Amino acid sequence: DAGITQSPRHKVTETGTPVTLRCHQTENHRYMYWYRQDPGHGLRLIHYSYGVKDTDKGEVSDGYSVSRSKTEDFLLTLESATSSQTSVYFCAIRPSRDQETQYFGPGTRLLVL
Amino acid sequence: GNSVTQMEGPVTLSEEAFLTINCTYTATGYPSLFWYVQYPGEGLQLLLKATKADDKGSNKGFEATYRKETTSFHLEKGSVQVSDSAVYFCALNNNAGNNRKLIWGLGTSLAVNP
Repeated sequence: DAGITQSPRHKVTETGTPVTLRCHQTENHRYMYWYRQDPGHGLRLIHYSYGVKDTDKGEVSDGYSVSRSKTEDFLLTLESATSSQTSVYFCAIRPSRDQETQYFGPGTRLLVL
Repeated sequence: GNSVTQMEGPVTLSEEAFLTINCTYTATGYPSLFWYVQYPGEGLQLLLKATKADDKGSNKGFEATYRKETTSFHLEKGSVQVSDSAVYFCALNNNAGNNRKLIWGLGTSLAVNP
């Protein structure tokens, strides 16, 4: 158990509203990732972080921003939610550069109406 | 560039049948290879991995061998159970340079019927 929690676990929101998803870890792992999972697309990387205040874009970063002001929290923000952002969002951690395995949180199911 | 290709699902088997899920990859250098499993309603969890050519990863009766000559990492299990019903993802980590990201296949859904 890598001590990863995500909140909220389920959210329904309306188009145009801002949404923030939180990923919290208890083990001070260096790397954190946000993915979205959609049928037919598998897992797609949105953003990732390799340290406090160090983040980089993934393959589907448009419409999303992230922040990591402390090691244990990685926030994903949808500035103005759209129906195309309806998805299941997963956070993952990677303990260090030498440990390649990623460990996943339970996911957040987001519905944008 | 780096990529992972998995066989398309869904795969439907009867209990105790033999399972193979194909995974092939393209990569520069010497990647590490992974299989993850996602049970219904849950996040992904590592099933097994291999870090160099000819390594065999194994866990829970599943096996996969890193074949550099065929650039493959096929997942096998001799006798599946209903509880193995899940989505299986193949992934690679290219250790060249400063790569911090996993490259993912699209996933293969497995349904095992009693």
